[in-house]
Amino acid sequence: KNEVEQSPQNLTAQEGEFITINCSYSVGISALHWLQQHPGGGIVSLFMLSSGKKKHGRLIATINIQEKHSSLHITASHPRDSAVYICAVRPNYGGATNKLIFGTGTLLAVQP
Amino acid sequence: DVKVTQSSRYLVKRTGEKVFLECVQDMDHENMFWYRQDPGLGLRLIYFSYDVKMKEKGDIPEGYSVSREKKERFSLILESASTNQTSMYLCASSPARTDTQYFGPGTRLTVL
Repeated sequence: KNEVEQSPQNLTAQEGEFITINCSYSVGISALHWLQQHPGGGIVSLFMLSSGKKKHGRLIATINIQEKHSSLHITASHPRDSAVYICAVRPNYGGATNKLIFGTGTLLAVQP
Repeated sequence: DVKVTQSSRYLVKRTGEKVFLECVQDMDHENMFWYRQDPGLGLRLIYFSYDVKMKEKGDIPEGYSVSREKKERFSLILESASTNQTSMYLCASSPARTDTQYFGPGTRLTVL
């Protein structure tokens, strides 16, 4: 069983829809990251969370530490949001290294 | 802006060849990472380095080695390429004591 699980694996939405991607993890963590990967490979960091909620433009990320769960929401989705969204956690074991454990990603396609 | 560059976007090699993948970052980051990304498996850590000449094995180091002679450069070496090493290889860097990683564009390696 993966330590970081994402759902759904694939998601197709119509432009303008509200989108939610979920991430559950089974280890104690010090931080959780959401990343975006566009076709062609480049990965960019969207959010780093250790508690609560963060918002950047149309993107909102929340985390519930007790339930070991995080969600990424996209409001008023647009075709340019089409990408793979990856959840990653920094476990709180393993000393001072900055290693992350990654989920397998959610492939989002937003249709016009 | 942080820039992480990788020596090739696409590479085709033959079984048994020695392969060098190079990664350079321009932000004086202490940590550098090599991952491979395969469908359904997400990002898996091959090796990482937290300082010049320092390296640690990740989750899947078999068949790979690394070199970090200068702070800005981290090389991944496939001593004798095999077909099961066909994959997307991603390099990343991060400052010490922070989680946020900055990724290169990736190298899609095909071993025939």
